[in-house]
Amino acid sequence: QVQLQESGPGLVKPSQTLSLTCTVSGGSIRNGGFYWSWIRQYSGRGLEWLGYIFYTGSTFYNPSLKRRITISIDTSKNQFSLSLRYVTAADAAVYYCARQDYGADYFDSWGQGTLVTVSS
Amino acid sequence: QSALTQPASVSGSPGQSITISCTGTSDDIGDYNYVSWYQQHPGKAPKLIIYDVSHRPSRVSNRFSGSKSGDTASLTISGLQADDEADYFCSSYSSTTTLVVFGGGTKLTVL
Repeated sequence: QVQLQESGPGLVKPSQTLSLTCTVSGGSIRNGGFYWSWIRQYSGRGLEWLGYIFYTGSTFYNPSLKRRITISIDTSKNQFSLSLRYVTAADAAVYYCARQDYGADYFDSWGQGTLVTVSS
Repeated sequence: QSALTQPASVSGSPGQSITISCTGTSDDIGDYNYVSWYQQHPGKAPKLIIYDVSHRPSRVSNRFSGSKSGDTASLTISGLQADDEADYFCSSYSSTTTLVVFGGGTKLTVL
């Protein structure tokens, strides 16, 4: 059974870059049957899909973040990463990495989530 | 404001059945069979319980079922148990944004 685990700083200063990594275990990130996604959750409720990456490196981003977001992948480490530039208080949330079935619109495995606070 | 509309809360007694609605538009739920439902216990990650409107992952209890009529999808939980107390979120593909969009979540209380 695949497992995902987020890691990265829990506190980011305004205008700086939020960087998180998701480590995948129990399965290969090279599996062409899945997209690897980032999702965030505000205040325990509202969920927002941020973007995904395929093992080939191709990406698709939420247009609302397109100028600030980069998702990358390191297949040798079975990891993928999120970079969100110029953060503000509105970016404070719990960030989840998740596995999305290729060609589908649901997320069948999630990491436990990591809380990111934006404050100076 | 979430793209899909769910009631803020529902409640039921052990053994009863409850239904949670998720209302969208013809640009999402109405035109696509890509509705999913997630269960989230406090402090935990969401867990997929229904996908493609009515399909259930093998590990999920058959007490959970999904359906759709027009622009509204529904999640029904039968034989309520204490452990069903959680937040439930719906999601759907949206042609307006070409993204997966979510509902605001419904808190289920088992009385």
